[in-house]
Amino acid sequence: GNSVTQMEGPVTLSEEAFLTINCTYTATGYPSLFWYVQYPGEGLQLLLKATKADDKGSNKGFEATYRKETTSFHLEKGSVQVSDSAVYFCALEGGSEKLVFGKGTKLTVNP
Amino acid sequence: DSGVTQTPKHLITATGQRVTLRCSPRSGDLSVYWYQQSLDQGLQFLIHYYNGEERAKGNILERFSAQQFPDLHSELNLSSLELGDSALYFCASSVGRDRGRVPLHFGNGTRLTVT
Repeated sequence: GNSVTQMEGPVTLSEEAFLTINCTYTATGYPSLFWYVQYPGEGLQLLLKATKADDKGSNKGFEATYRKETTSFHLEKGSVQVSDSAVYFCALEGGSEKLVFGKGTKLTVNP
Repeated sequence: DSGVTQTPKHLITATGQRVTLRCSPRSGDLSVYWYQQSLDQGLQFLIHYYNGEERAKGNILERFSAQQFPDLHSELNLSSLELGDSALYFCASSVGRDRGRVPLHFGNGTRLTVT
């Protein structure tokens, strides 16, 4: 079945550091890929998405590129801020309208 | 504010009991999704309703049931509760007009504690 594997957290960075959170997937066919963010005490919010190979999703300075050859969708940001502290979830949708989530990666950014 | 409202925010109950969680989707959204979030299982898709009809089912136990009403709000009923049902239950919504739509707006969740 479809699955998503994210790098284990937690991740702790200093403000303005470069962020990468790795995400790889297993799926049949051509899934759509997503990153969601969950701020403390809140529900998830869709951060960005890509629906086909080589697409780049971007939002709020975050980017992720759909790499079919490596079955990856790594999240990157060039310069993180304290306000980016949250839990980040990679997810895929394989055509069945069901989202499959990774376990989540907690990011803490220190001033 | 996502526009998705879940009540109650917290629920503490005993094993064997039954509870109802309620969700009002974002205005204009026809699709409602329910997810369970626990430390060991992560985020698990339970069920999806579109405009009152069940659209997809995930890892939902037989003790759990859901429905979406004509006004589009949804309820998740959990019965014969067990300790392992303690989790955060999220409702999410989307416009849902096309196949392959995914939840865009999540509520803040209902934290269920079974003692």
